[in-house]
Amino acid sequence: QKEVEQNSGPLSVPEGAIASLNCTYSDRGSQSFFWYRQYSGKSPELIMSIYSNGDKEDGRFTAQLNKASQYVSLLIRDSQPSDSATYLCAVNAAGGSYIPTFGRGTSLIVHP
Amino acid sequence: NAGVTQTPKFQVLKTGQSMTLQCAQDMNHNSMYWYRQDPGMGLRLIYYSASEGTTDKGEVPNGYNVSRLNKREFSLRLESAAPSQTSVYFCASTVKYNEQFFGPGTRLTVL
Repeated sequence: QKEVEQNSGPLSVPEGAIASLNCTYSDRGSQSFFWYRQYSGKSPELIMSIYSNGDKEDGRFTAQLNKASQYVSLLIRDSQPSDSATYLCAVNAAGGSYIPTFGRGTSLIVHP
Repeated sequence: NAGVTQTPKFQVLKTGQSMTLQCAQDMNHNSMYWYRQDPGMGLRLIYYSASEGTTDKGEVPNGYNVSRLNKREFSLRLESAAPSQTSVYFCASTVKYNEQFFGPGTRLTVL
């Protein structure tokens, strides 16, 4: 059974700090990796996708993928209180699978 | 361009009642999904439709049925609601095996 593991948190960081969120996955053949942000009472929204080893940067967000170690991480630089949310990691298997596997999410709290 | 829309936003049912949750997307996506989200359980896939005319069971299909009415619309039906089906239901769509776009959700309470 494919698994995606995340620390449930909460992860508490001060405003302006770097928040580091981690995710590990069990299916070595996974090919597509996503980070979604979910505010309380709202639906998940995609913030980053990454498909190859290394770093991908988009504004204050950096996704990092290491397929050999089977982990993907999300760094949020200059964290703001508005970044306080639950962050979901999702992984798609190889072979064009239509079914992503979601982690249970990490709660991030950015305090002023 | 509304993205993914869901109706209703809130619903309260009594045990044994039936209802249909509606989902529509205007992004010309091929694949559509129904998830439920419960505290501490994350997102669990109920059913999905890889393309128009096909539907398949996900992780937790028992007690639910789906219909892919056309490329835009994918409905979820509860034939005889149970308290265990109290949850938040999200519909999502995607082009293929790619990023998913979620609707705003339906908050369902079964008494």
